[in-house]
Amino acid sequence: AQTVTQSQPEMSVQEAETVTLSCTYDTSESDYYLFWYKQPPSRQMILVIRQEAYKQQNATENRFSVNFQKAAKSFSLKISDSQLGDAAMYFCAFFNTGNQFYFGTGTSLTVIP
Amino acid sequence: GAVVSQHPSRVICKSGTSVKIECRSLDFQATTMFWYRQFPKQSLMLMATSNEGSKATYEQGVEKDKFLINHASLTLSTLTVTSAHPEDSSFYICSARDTGPGLNTEAFFGQGTRLTVV
Repeated sequence: AQTVTQSQPEMSVQEAETVTLSCTYDTSESDYYLFWYKQPPSRQMILVIRQEAYKQQNATENRFSVNFQKAAKSFSLKISDSQLGDAAMYFCAFFNTGNQFYFGTGTSLTVIP
Repeated sequence: GAVVSQHPSRVICKSGTSVKIECRSLDFQATTMFWYRQFPKQSLMLMATSNEGSKATYEQGVEKDKFLINHASLTLSTLTVTSAHPEDSSFYICSARDTGPGLNTEAFFGQGTRLTVV
């Protein structure tokens, strides 16, 4: 199984500030996709952002952006202008050509008003 | 985005009985569906990957005779927990990938099923 690691079990950020969530993964493959998912208290998984491994340009979706370092196998998520609604569990996920879809250990994000 | 419906959302069953959980893709065809188990405040643990019309691929440590997965059509996969025991109590989540080409296709998630075995 692929390994996806999130080293920050919990993070907190002041409303309107910026926070970065870390993710590292282990793979020998060169073609894969990386995702960040959000899981609010409802437990419904919501896609935040995705990154194709072959693309050097970092993905951006409004207030969410990633820092993808392929050689370092690192895929961090930056949330700018944090809002109360951003509070949730965030999971980094890895998907490969073998049709395997693995999730990281998760980071619980608290947004402080 | 596409919709994946998982049913039931909650189920309580007696120890020794079997429980079936359904996962349906409502507005797209799903070649592949994934089944996960999530313990409180923990990550999603991949249990198995099911492909329509073929046997599911189980992750190491997951008992395939205990957790029966059937993916008979492009819109439906089922997970049956057989001879359930209290330790099987957990939150089970399914996700489905569209049949579109490439790895870029997003996986959509069901709402999850809270299973309690008493």
